[in-house]
Amino acid sequence: GENVEQHPSTLSVQEGDSAVIKCTYSDSASNYFPWYKQELGKGPQLIIDIRSNVGEKKDQRIAVTLNKTAKHFSLHITETQPEDSAVYFCAASPDTDKLIFGTGTRLQVFP
Amino acid sequence: DVKVTQSSRYLVKRTGEKVFLECVQDMDHENMFWYRQDPGLGLRLIYFSYDVKMKEKGDIPEGYSVSREKKERFSLILESASTNQTSMYLCASSLTGLNTEAFFGQGTRLTVV
Repeated sequence: GENVEQHPSTLSVQEGDSAVIKCTYSDSASNYFPWYKQELGKGPQLIIDIRSNVGEKKDQRIAVTLNKTAKHFSLHITETQPEDSAVYFCAASPDTDKLIFGTGTRLQVFP
Repeated sequence: DVKVTQSSRYLVKRTGEKVFLECVQDMDHENMFWYRQDPGLGLRLIYFSYDVKMKEKGDIPEGYSVSREKKERFSLILESASTNQTSMYLCASSLTGLNTEAFFGQGTRLTVV
């Protein structure tokens, strides 16, 4: 089955700096790659996603890149702010309905 | 506003008890999921339901069962709770097909003593 690896497990950055989180997946049939943000005491929420026919997608300060050949995808957050502090999960979808998640990255943004 | 509601935020149960975790969604979604969240292990899929009375095992189904008698409700059952089932449990729902967004509940932190 699909296996998703995520790095780093923790990431600390200064406010205004960029943050990058990387994921790799194993199943070449996966074609959908969402990213979720989980704030303290809440369930994860979708922040951005990318499909396999696209190499990059941006939404204001966040962007996701996908390299299907290498089976890896990354989340980029620019101009980080304290409210970006949270746990971030990548996921891959080996079929149209199921999501397999990575192990999560705890991002801390220091003022 | 879309909503997935889990019946309890915190639960404390004794070893050997039968435990029910309830989840309700108001979005008429076909798919519903139960995940378990543990530090360093991320979100692991326990069970998945794609329709009423239909279910599929996820990656870690051992020790769990599920019930989906109505479209909006998906229950996770721990037949005989054990201490290694102490965890955060997250319910989610999504529309079927085409990889749509999964909406999560706020989670139930279960402690088995």
